[in-house]
Amino acid sequence: GAGVSQSPRYKVAKRGQDVALRCDPISGHVSLFWYQQALGQGPEFLTYFQNEAQLDKSGLPSDRFFAERPEGSVSTLKIQRTQQEDSAVYLCASSLWRSGGNQPQHFGDGTRLSIL
Amino acid sequence: GQQVMQIPQYQHVQEGEDFTTYCNSSTTLSNIQWYKQRPGGHPVFLIQLVKSGEVKKQKRLTFQFGEAKKNSSLHITATQTTDVGTYFCAGEGGSSNTGKLIFGQGTTLQVKP
Repeated sequence: GAGVSQSPRYKVAKRGQDVALRCDPISGHVSLFWYQQALGQGPEFLTYFQNEAQLDKSGLPSDRFFAERPEGSVSTLKIQRTQQEDSAVYLCASSLWRSGGNQPQHFGDGTRLSIL
Repeated sequence: GQQVMQIPQYQHVQEGEDFTTYCNSSTTLSNIQWYKQRPGGHPVFLIQLVKSGEVKKQKRLTFQFGEAKKNSSLHITATQTTDVGTYFCAGEGGSSNTGKLIFGQGTTLQVKP
């Protein structure tokens, strides 16, 4: 399919472990966003890429969270030394235009992360 | 910081009844988008409103953007069971140019057949 692809769909990790979540955006989409969605809440912005440049990381909760998009396509969100409060669904979205503004965002199915 | 509030949090209706969800922002928005998320699914884009006072319709769905560009509403006429899900509004800040969206907490709609 031509949608946003995220893997894994589910991830269970023990507290203190590192995890890596992958996002494959729609081909040609310049803008890529990561959101965190807690149960019963709306998605909360984490970070934004324009091609390979990370232009906004104001939503990352702590320095344990790190995101990259080295070649301007696939992106990885890494969480180090996971804590129980990191348990959530992590959504990736991409949009078409360079600025990302005023454009619909296309979401992947998300990765449901559970920290034991 | 900028906040987007939605009410109600939950709404249960009988099939055929109407439904409305309201969205309010603490700051002026450059545009507002609406998304629908089915249980276990991901947010799916419904519509974007840009102009002050704008009204757009999609079949039984009517979307409005307030004159001050700080509030919006979604109205569904004659709900169907396929309308079940959580409806989110999401605003892009007036001075933002990244497309960063601030989502409301959503209104979850249940429709009884």
